[in-house]
Amino acid sequence: SQQGEEDPQALSIQEGENATMNCSYKTSINNLQWYRQNSGRGLVHLILIRSNEREKHSGRLRVTLDTSKKSSSLLITASRAADTASYFCATDAGSGYSTLTFGKGTMLLVSP
Amino acid sequence: KAGVTQTPRYLIKTRGQQVTLSCSPISGHRSVSWYQQTPGQGLQFLFEYFSETQRNKGNFPGRFSGRQFSNSRSEMNVSTLELGDSALYLCASSATGVGDNEQFFGPGTRLTVL
Repeated sequence: SQQGEEDPQALSIQEGENATMNCSYKTSINNLQWYRQNSGRGLVHLILIRSNEREKHSGRLRVTLDTSKKSSSLLITASRAADTASYFCATDAGSGYSTLTFGKGTMLLVSP
Repeated sequence: KAGVTQTPRYLIKTRGQQVTLSCSPISGHRSVSWYQQTPGQGLQFLFEYFSETQRNKGNFPGRFSGRQFSNSRSEMNVSTLELGDSALYLCASSATGVGDNEQFFGPGTRLTVL
């Protein structure tokens, strides 16, 4: 079963604009991770934020986590056409094992 | 370091057949997880192996099984294939299998059941 939902399901922007994707989840978590997937291929790990962290940056990526609202957001600044992909949030419930529960993803299209 | 490799990349089978998919993790990684991705259900966890032991299993029927070898390579098997088993099967490896470890995903095996 899906842990969370991403919002929006699809997002279309122009190069240079910022893209914001949101993720909500249902149960308490140990950490939340964001992944990118290009065109039905493998997933690429973008960033991990732990439950005791509120914000994290990595290059053009900024992730926030609000555990009281059980939500996270991923901001991609100055988007490029190469950022076109599907983005998934995944939660680790802290079972101690490598078991991630994924949302359904946001499809991002960045037009030149 | 070589990444996670999965073979075959594409597979076409008919209903009732069985299939075996293979995953070679990154060298030194001892945990391998398997996920099924479909348009309807999204990404769903199948099972996780660590040092040849299945530690966790998702909500899938017994037709789905797996194993891990002493060199950490893993295989998953689906018996009596159904049309609904058509999916992208992804494996991921991590160093220790602890939740905070980054998981590295392979390119996937796309299975089509006719």
